[in-house]
Amino acid sequence: DIQMTQSPSSVSASVGDRVTITCRASQGIARWLGWYQQKPGKAPKLLIYAASRLVSGVPSRFSGSGSGTDFTLTISSLQPEDFATYYCQHGNNFLFTFGPGTKVDI
Amino acid sequence: QVQLRESGPGLVKPSETLSLTCSVSGYSINSGYYWAWIRQPPGKGLEWIGTIYHSGNTYYNPSLKSRVTISVDTSKSQFSLKLSSVTAADTAEFFCAHAEGFGDLFPHYFDFWGQGILVTVSS
Repeated sequence: DIQMTQSPSSVSASVGDRVTITCRASQGIARWLGWYQQKPGKAPKLLIYAASRLVSGVPSRFSGSGSGTDFTLTISSLQPEDFATYYCQHGNNFLFTFGPGTKVDI
Repeated sequence: QVQLRESGPGLVKPSETLSLTCSVSGYSINSGYYWAWIRQPPGKGLEWIGTIYHSGNTYYNPSLKSRVTISVDTSKSQFSLKLSSVTAADTAEFFCAHAEGFGDLFPHYFDFWGQGILVTVSS
């Protein structure tokens, strides 16, 4: 089974900060990696797929990079609405695994 | 725009079977592609439960496979989840979702989600 890890587990930041979250897969997954944002009491929202492709309507301050085992999500200038928990997720061959999440708070 | 809504009992007794339904609107479930169930225990992370194709082909999380059944009713534009022999560890928010491949034949991500339904396992 492919395991996903994320670091850090939480990060304290301020509006305007650049925030980077890392996701690592236990084995190579090419670019089959998505990033989700989840706010309390809400369903997750897909931000990025295929490691770096932005979902339509997602602000350009969000970006993703990486391939193989190491991936990053970057928020270039944190906005008040970005305080949330972020999950990476791998899906291939009809098996899907989420990372444990990174909470971005003040 | 795909819209999904979960429904079902919010309380299930230990050892019984949890049953949930996801109603799909704004998209023909017959148009193809894949539909999924995902859960999230209170304060914890996300866990994929299983995925179904509109034809009825199913794919389950190996850790839950022995207890999970997902089915689809295209005439009602719904798909359903049954989780048997539940314990307190199965208490979670359950989400249904549309699985998308973004140009690939097979699903890799979840792009539309229901609002979620909290199911508590307790006597």
